[in-house]
Amino acid sequence: SQQGEEDPQALSIQEGENATMNCSYKTSINNLQWYRQNSGRGLVHLILIRSNEREKHSGRLRVTLDTSKKSSSLLITASRAADTASYFCATREETSGSRLTFGEGTQLTVNP
Amino acid sequence: DAGITQSPRHKVTETGTPVTLRCHQTENHRYMYWYRQDPGHGLRLIHYSYGVKDTDKGEVSDGYSVSRSKTEDFLLTLESATSSQTSVYFCAISALNPGNTIYFGEGSWLTVV
Repeated sequence: SQQGEEDPQALSIQEGENATMNCSYKTSINNLQWYRQNSGRGLVHLILIRSNEREKHSGRLRVTLDTSKKSSSLLITASRAADTASYFCATREETSGSRLTFGEGTQLTVNP
Repeated sequence: DAGITQSPRHKVTETGTPVTLRCHQTENHRYMYWYRQDPGHGLRLIHYSYGVKDTDKGEVSDGYSVSRSKTEDFLLTLESATSSQTSVYFCAISALNPGNTIYFGEGSWLTVV
């Protein structure tokens, strides 16, 4: 079964609004990463948060991590139509070394 | 874009035929991965490599084999393709540092008829 599970599966918002996506996982992790995938393309790394970090920012992205609840959230502020994509969380488990385990993704649609 | 090239990008093959997908990197990264992506399953790891001739199974390795004879090339072989292996296959690479970012190729669309 997937280590990470994103919620919601799909999200539709208007341009300028904020988008929040959540990820839950099951085992202890070294870090959690968020990736973006445009339709028909490969995944692109957005941001990495380590297990000893609680919050991280990168431009319009804000990621939080709550290891006690085994959950993370990705916030995209002031969304744009170009943010339309699928967003995946991926966890690097403590016991898996170099392997990342991906969730099923959240499909975000930003309407102009 | 990370220096990752997948070939072929699109292929249609018949059930029972062997298929090899190639991943070539120019980054000299140690780790290479093959994932498959299917609706409702996200990305699932098939096999990965942590060095030349060093490979290990992922969560969905049945029906697949891999080889890595050079740092830059990682081959995924379907010995006898089945319709359930119709999927999009992604190669990915990462550097030595633990917890490092993974960089993905653009994908190979495989249809088994």
